[in-house]
Amino acid sequence: ELKVEQNPLFLSMQEGKNYTIYCNYSTTSDRLYWYRQDPGKSLESLFVLLSNGAVKQEGRLMASLDTKARLSTLHITAAVHDLSATYFCAVDTRNNNDMRFGAGTRLTVKP
Amino acid sequence: DVKVTQSSRYLVKRTGEKVFLECVQDMDHENMFWYRQDPGLGLRLIYFSYDVKMKEKGDIPEGYSVSREKKERFSLILESASTNQTSMYLCASSLARTGSRYGYTFGSGTRLTVV
Repeated sequence: ELKVEQNPLFLSMQEGKNYTIYCNYSTTSDRLYWYRQDPGKSLESLFVLLSNGAVKQEGRLMASLDTKARLSTLHITAAVHDLSATYFCAVDTRNNNDMRFGAGTRLTVKP
Repeated sequence: DVKVTQSSRYLVKRTGEKVFLECVQDMDHENMFWYRQDPGLGLRLIYFSYDVKMKEKGDIPEGYSVSREKKERFSLILESASTNQTSMYLCASSLARTGSRYGYTFGSGTRLTVV
């Protein structure tokens, strides 16, 4: 069974700092997704990573995928308060029936 | 843009009631999903459907059923609501069988409280 683990689950950081969120998964997959969820809102798609070595960047966020290590990272550069949200990674299951989600990382960026 | 609409943002129901959560998408997606979201557990798949009148169980189907009579509508049914079904319920749809290059599009969620 595919398991997806994120860490940390909670992250409090100062504005202007850098940090990385990690997403590990347990079985072979080459499709990984990052979503953002604001409090009380639904999930918004951030990045879709479809191959080993894929790197996507949007503003202060950069996501990468290493399928051999079964690891994706979401790197935050020079954090700003607007990035405060919960971030989820999700992985396609091997039999392509659905996506499995990590538990989410609640990010709080303080002034 | 694909729009996934969940009929209620907040619901309060009594234990034992039959509860219907409705989800409608407007982009002719074949694939629809119901997840529940609980703190620290992420999203867990309840049921999904790849076609009209077709359904498959996800990881936590107990206590739930679904209905897909039309392509655009996927309903989640709690046959007899219990307090442990208090949760946020999220509906999603996708063009591809899995997320493929587009990922899933989620509805705004229904926060259900069973008292």
